[in-house]
Amino acid sequence: EPEVTQTPSHQVTQMGQEVILRCVPISNHLYFYWYRQILGQKVEFLVSFYNNEISEKSEIFDDQFSVERPDGSNFTLKIRSTKLEDSAMYFCASTLAGGYGTGELFFGEGSRLTVL
Amino acid sequence: SQQGEEDPQALSIQEGENATMNCSYKTSINNLQWYRQNSGRGLVHLILIRSNEREKHSGRLRVTLDTSKKSSSLLITASRAADTASYFCAPSPGGYQKVTFGTGTKLQVIP
Repeated sequence: EPEVTQTPSHQVTQMGQEVILRCVPISNHLYFYWYRQILGQKVEFLVSFYNNEISEKSEIFDDQFSVERPDGSNFTLKIRSTKLEDSAMYFCASTLAGGYGTGELFFGEGSRLTVL
Repeated sequence: SQQGEEDPQALSIQEGENATMNCSYKTSINNLQWYRQNSGRGLVHLILIRSNEREKHSGRLRVTLDTSKKSSSLLITASRAADTASYFCAPSPGGYQKVTFGTGTKLQVIP
């Protein structure tokens, strides 16, 4: 069964360092998302991406964050200068949905980011 | 978009019993989705019910939707220890628009 894959599964970094989290969405999916979950809290929407541009972003997704689809398969989330509060599990998701689709999301297993 | 509010926040049952979780939302929807999250893992899509449907079944899952009351319920029959997880409802406007998640119902099934 097709799945969304994420790397790395866990990354430890020093505050102020740049981090890139990678995702390979399901191959025929068109819409891509990043969510994050701080330990013990709910899953929060960060950004959605379609047709090589951001469709929507939350207040969390400030200038320190960026997303890119550098090729036909990868979807990346970059945090330019990490802060302690960026420590969280980051989930990538994708959906096939078009304008009248159902929007069923397929999630990866997440990348745990620990900022020291 | 909107998030659903799940109730109860936590539920503890014995293996073999049924578990019922409820969801309320505020605005009109195209569909409502239920997801499961095992501790430390990604969310898994369980079932989707469209706004013109009242009930849907998938294996041991039964979902109902009452659009007049803006509410949904998820019933897991004959629960197993492996059903221990957090469950989230996600009211969806459909298409590519994002879904957002509430705090979920944390289900514990005791063997």
